[in-house]
Amino acid sequence: DGGITQSPKYLFRKEGQNVTLSCEQNLNHDAMYWYRQDPGQGLRLIYYSQIVNDFQKGDIAEGYSVSREKKESFPLTVTSAQKNPTAFYLCASRAAAGSYEQYFGPGTRLTVT
Amino acid sequence: SQELEQSPQSLIVQEGKNLTINCTSSKTLYGLYWYKQKYGEGLIFLMMLQKGGEEKSHEKITAKLDEKKQQSSLHITASQPSHAGIYLCGADIYTNAGKSTFGDGTTLTVKP
Repeated sequence: DGGITQSPKYLFRKEGQNVTLSCEQNLNHDAMYWYRQDPGQGLRLIYYSQIVNDFQKGDIAEGYSVSREKKESFPLTVTSAQKNPTAFYLCASRAAAGSYEQYFGPGTRLTVT
Repeated sequence: SQELEQSPQSLIVQEGKNLTINCTSSKTLYGLYWYKQKYGEGLIFLMMLQKGGEEKSHEKITAKLDEKKQQSSLHITASQPSHAGIYLCGADIYTNAGKSTFGDGTTLTVKP
């Protein structure tokens, strides 16, 4: 079955620690995305990548970092510089930039205390 | 998102009733997408609209994009408890930008 996997489903960290969220896709999609969703709000774009070894900042990139060394993988690191990291994080992919729907992973809920 | 306004924010309907959710932009939309989300889960793709005046249906859900490609509506006929969830519209506002903008979502509750 093709799809997007995110792990873990729930993640707990102490304040001041960096944490990396995993996102893997086997859809052979070129483009991948990271979004943050807070209660009662829509999706806010953190970073996106349209091709391997290239990525761009989204609307709320501060305190986050990404890498795209392989087509199928797009890990997100939440650094200690992110002031309010507790949120639901969603990874998505699409076949290419342009008018294609995005496929979403199941999400990771990160809690930082 | 202020670029994509979704209304209403929440909706409670009796089972069997029809309902409409709207998604509006001041800019031309090059691709308009509707998704459904269960709380705490990922988004499920419902439909994509690209052409002005386009209309698509899937089971009891119909989505339309207006001629000017600035407004879309999602209509559910004879709602059922299985329709409950959060509906989000997403759009490609800037052609070939590679990224989409999302509305804030509409939470739908269907009372049996």
